[in-house]
Amino acid sequence: AQSVTQLDSQVPVFEEAPVELRCNYSSSVSVYLFWYVQYPNQGLQLLLKYLSGSTLVESINGFEAEFNKSQTSFHLRKPSVHISDTAEYFCAVSPLEGGNKLVFGAGTILRVKS
Amino acid sequence: KAGVTQTPRYLIKTRGQQVTLSCSPISGHRSVSWYQQTPGQGLQFLFEYFSETQRNKGNFPGRFSGRQFSNSRSEMNVSTLELGDSALYLCASGQGISTEAFFGQGTRLTVV
Repeated sequence: AQSVTQLDSQVPVFEEAPVELRCNYSSSVSVYLFWYVQYPNQGLQLLLKYLSGSTLVESINGFEAEFNKSQTSFHLRKPSVHISDTAEYFCAVSPLEGGNKLVFGAGTILRVKS
Repeated sequence: KAGVTQTPRYLIKTRGQQVTLSCSPISGHRSVSWYQQTPGQGLQFLFEYFSETQRNKGNFPGRFSGRQFSNSRSEMNVSTLELGDSALYLCASGQGISTEAFFGQGTRLTVV
């Protein structure tokens, strides 16, 4: 079984400041890791994913996440946030085998203030 | 390429009724998964269908059921609705196993 812990329920930050959203997971099997973003009244959009290879993965809008196997973490970072980054962010894992089944964390609301 | 389409977007039902939600995956995707999102429980996996077969199932009562058709479209049914079934129901489609899931905008179900 898998579980995901997002350590912060809300993260307030000023525009152009850096931000880190923390994610730790637990699993008895190898997993893929994902970050999804959800804007109000919308579905989930994939932000980035770690499947294999380089442990540092980047998205097209400046976010990056680093897979740390020893610490079972997959923290999300952005060096400079914008107002438009205000949203809820979900960390998720999915086992390598056995089909598509995402296990999500509780979510972190990122509030960017001007 | 069209995204994942869920219909209807909003639904209001009375306790005790049943409801059917529909999901059309991205063309070529054979996996369809369903999730329930509530403020209290967060995002929870309901079930996954692949090539018309249920491949995974979450911990929900038997009132929640689903199916997938030969064109990969999927339906989810909830019978004997309870107030606690009020939620955003999200459908996701994917090509294979655990690569990535593309989500629809969801169906907001309100049970009164």
